Amino acid sequence: QQQVRQSSQSLTVWEGETAILNCSYENSAFDYFPWYQQFPGEGPALLIAIRSVSDKKEDGRFTIFFNKREKNLSLHIKDSQPGDSATYFCAASANYNVLYFGSGTKLTVEP
Amino acid sequence: DPKIIQKPKYLVAVTGSEKILICEQYLGHNAMYWYRQSAKKPLEFMFSYSYQKLMDNQTASSRFQPQSSKKNHLDLQITALKPDDSATYFCASSQPSGTTGNTLYFGEGSRLIVV
Repeated sequence: QQQVRQSSQSLTVWEGETAILNCSYENSAFDYFPWYQQFPGEGPALLIAIRSVSDKKEDGRFTIFFNKREKNLSLHIKDSQPGDSATYFCAASANYNVLYFGSGTKLTVEP
Repeated sequence: DPKIIQKPKYLVAVTGSEKILICEQYLGHNAMYWYRQSAKKPLEFMFSYSYQKLMDNQTASSRFQPQSSKKNHLDLQITALKPDDSATYFCASSQPSGTTGNTLYFGEGSRLIVV
């Protein structure tokens, strides 16, 4: 059973546009939602995270919007740059336990 | 300098053989993990250890055995290898649950191909 779902396998945007990556989850007990960024040949790295008590978390060009009632969240990347081209994983955990990852969205930012 | 060292980076193994993937972390963390990434199941959780004790195992097969000889080591022994085991295996670490949350730091992975 896929506990965390990412609706798009891939997404292409132009440089300067806002990329929106979507994620949904099944388990109501999940309370921590990080997004990880992975470049080819590297391990995933934490980009930004939100807890379920908040509905928005912003860090520079990256913003998470969280909807607890609908059990979904999205990552917005403002002013996308070619260097943002990577695979983005949504993840979730409950009570600081195991992190479950979605299947990832490969973002391509065209110059 | 990488803070989580995984060896080997690439590995080709024969079906039926046994291999050990090495992981050492120098972040001072007390929790370590193994994840597997393949085309079929990206970033699938396998094991978690805290203070060298197994906390969670979501690997169905006993062919996968983690081994923690030191606090900052968590190796993964895989026996009777099958082609389906071909994947990139990521080691990760974090502070123990309940402190700074579940920020996982990943190594660069060990890419295993079973022929």
